[in-house]
Amino acid sequence: GAGVSQSPRYKVAKRGQDVALRCDPISGHVSLFWYQQALGQGPEFLTYFQNEAQLDKSGLPSDRFFAERPEGSVSTLKIQRTQQEDSAVYLCASSAAPGTGTYEQYFGPGTRLTVT
Amino acid sequence: EDQVTQSPEALRLQEGESSSLNCSYTVSGLRGLFWYRQDPGKGPEFLFTLYSAGEEKEKERLKATLTKKESFLHITAPKPEDSATYLCAVPQIGGGSYIPTFGRGTSLIVHP
Repeated sequence: GAGVSQSPRYKVAKRGQDVALRCDPISGHVSLFWYQQALGQGPEFLTYFQNEAQLDKSGLPSDRFFAERPEGSVSTLKIQRTQQEDSAVYLCASSAAPGTGTYEQYFGPGTRLTVT
Repeated sequence: EDQVTQSPEALRLQEGESSSLNCSYTVSGLRGLFWYRQDPGKGPEFLFTLYSAGEEKEKERLKATLTKKESFLHITAPKPEDSATYLCAVPQIGGGSYIPTFGRGTSLIVHP
């Protein structure tokens, strides 16, 4: 079975451009997470969806970051007016069970965003 | 503030040289501790979940253990293919739900 896929794998954006990062979770997985991972750091939580509902967005660093999952499957993370500090790897993960804290997650390969 | 701390930051071993990685946490009311492996350019790969002190889980050359304050990932007779970054994570309350909070990881290199 297919795992979590993300596209694009690499994205270079000029400062001020908008970007959209896509995540295709494992089919049927209820929970979907977005993380930001800086070099040499562990993943940092951005936001969580249960089906199409965004239940927690406390980790989004600013109002330039927006995520959606309109049909409860594919999710898009959008970053408006990108800044250099947005450069990082953006990871998506899905989980079969609802809830954020007690179930293993399956990660995609990530999208490496470089803002120049 | 609740924290997840991993040590050492980096570890170099010779093939066959057993060792342990540490993950300490200060979460009250632990709701599970997760270990992941991350290879360069890839997303983390789930290894283990531990829920209660005294629990142990094994997979090939890896064994994870849990106490009330820390978890250890023991690597027995490692091989070069075990080289990776090992991450631990615990759920911490924030924003109204339990947010998975990761440590910085231990970068393991196993030399042949």
